[in-house]
Amino acid sequence: GAGVSQTPSNKVTEKGKYVELRCDPISGHTALYWYRQSLGQGPEFLIYFQGTGAADDSGLPNDRFFAVRPEGSVSTLKIQRTERGDSAVYLCASSPTVLGNEQFFGPGTRLTVL
Amino acid sequence: SQQGEEDPQALSIQEGENATMNCSYKTSINNLQWYRQNSGRGLVHLILIRSNEREKHSGRLRVTLDTSKKSSSLLITASRAADTASYFCATGPMYNTDKLIFGTGTRLQVFP
Repeated sequence: GAGVSQTPSNKVTEKGKYVELRCDPISGHTALYWYRQSLGQGPEFLIYFQGTGAADDSGLPNDRFFAVRPEGSVSTLKIQRTERGDSAVYLCASSPTVLGNEQFFGPGTRLTVL
Repeated sequence: SQQGEEDPQALSIQEGENATMNCSYKTSINNLQWYRQNSGRGLVHLILIRSNEREKHSGRLRVTLDTSKKSSSLLITASRAADTASYFCATGPMYNTDKLIFGTGTRLQVFP
């Protein structure tokens, strides 16, 4: 079956612009996670959803970052007033259930803020 | 923030040799997972070990977990050039959240 997909695969934007990154999880997976990974580092947790609600958003760095999952499937990560420091690969993952199962990762969106 | 540190940061070996990577973490965990990443993009899950388990095998992979030392190791036996990748440990915290906290990774290079 299809894995987790993310669009776009690459996004180049200018400082101060707004961007949206999309994640399509594996069908039927109730949990969806966002991470971001800077060069040479491990992924850092941002937020995860159980169904439509954000179960843990403790990793969002500031209020410029927001994510939604209105129908419990596709999720969008929104970044306002982008800064150069936001440049990273944004990874999405999904899991069939919560609490201690493997997560299935998408290929990521590489965001570059000029 | 990163939970764990991995050791070594980089490892180069010949095909057929074994590769051992170590991971240390800081807080109590529900489980520990190992992931592999090629070319800085999507991660692939390798193996999950729960906090009440001490050792787990999957094919050429062997994972150990020592919760008293807050450490884990990943052993890849009879390595192949195709094993060249970055390997990350990730911990699932004990309570109230399902996020994963990743280590800093080990870059493995296997020469044919």
